[in-house]
Amino acid sequence: AQRVTQPEKLLSVFKGAPVELKCNYSYSGSPELFWYVQYSRQRLQLLLRHISRESIKGFTADLNKGETSFHLKKPFAQEEDSAMYYCASINQAGTALIFGKGTTLSVSS
Amino acid sequence: DAGITQSPRYKITETGRQVTLMCHQTWSHSYMFWYRQDLGHGLRLIYYSAAADITDKGEVPDGYVVSRSKTENFPLTLESATRSQTSVYFCASQGLLAGGGEQFFGPGTRLTVL
Repeated sequence: AQRVTQPEKLLSVFKGAPVELKCNYSYSGSPELFWYVQYSRQRLQLLLRHISRESIKGFTADLNKGETSFHLKKPFAQEEDSAMYYCASINQAGTALIFGKGTTLSVSS
Repeated sequence: DAGITQSPRYKITETGRQVTLMCHQTWSHSYMFWYRQDLGHGLRLIYYSAAADITDKGEVPDGYVVSRSKTENFPLTLESATRSQTSVYFCASQGLLAGGGEQFFGPGTRLTVL
């Protein structure tokens, strides 16, 4: 079955430290991958998508087909980055998103 | 954000009762989804709909029923609520799936089944 794996439930870092939220996927073709974020008391919202190759709020994510990974990175974490982050992939049927279990990022000063 | 709404925002019910969670979107998006969010499980897809009158099961459909008579509404019904259905439920809509289309989420409904 197609899966999106986020191995870390919680990642705690200090302000200014680099951040890497891990995401691995299982997909035989060319995946469409996303990172969604949920800040405290806010809705889940799209952070970035691999197809756009964009940088949002200092975050980037590169698709590595060899390692089947789509890790989310930021060189210098800020306290406002504290949130729940979900990696997601469109399923092979192209009908829905499959989400990972999420990683809580906690940035402290 | 006002484009997709959910009601009620909070609901407490008892085991065995029927509960309907409402979802409404104003964008005329074709796709709509229901997820449940639980600690340790993340977001799991319950049902989705590609258009009015077209629905399909997701990962965890048992105990739930959906309908989509109008494009803008996608209600989720728990026919006989169980404690295991205590969760936060999110509705989402999307215009296109392929090509990196964004999924927009509602604010969620926190359901407690006693």
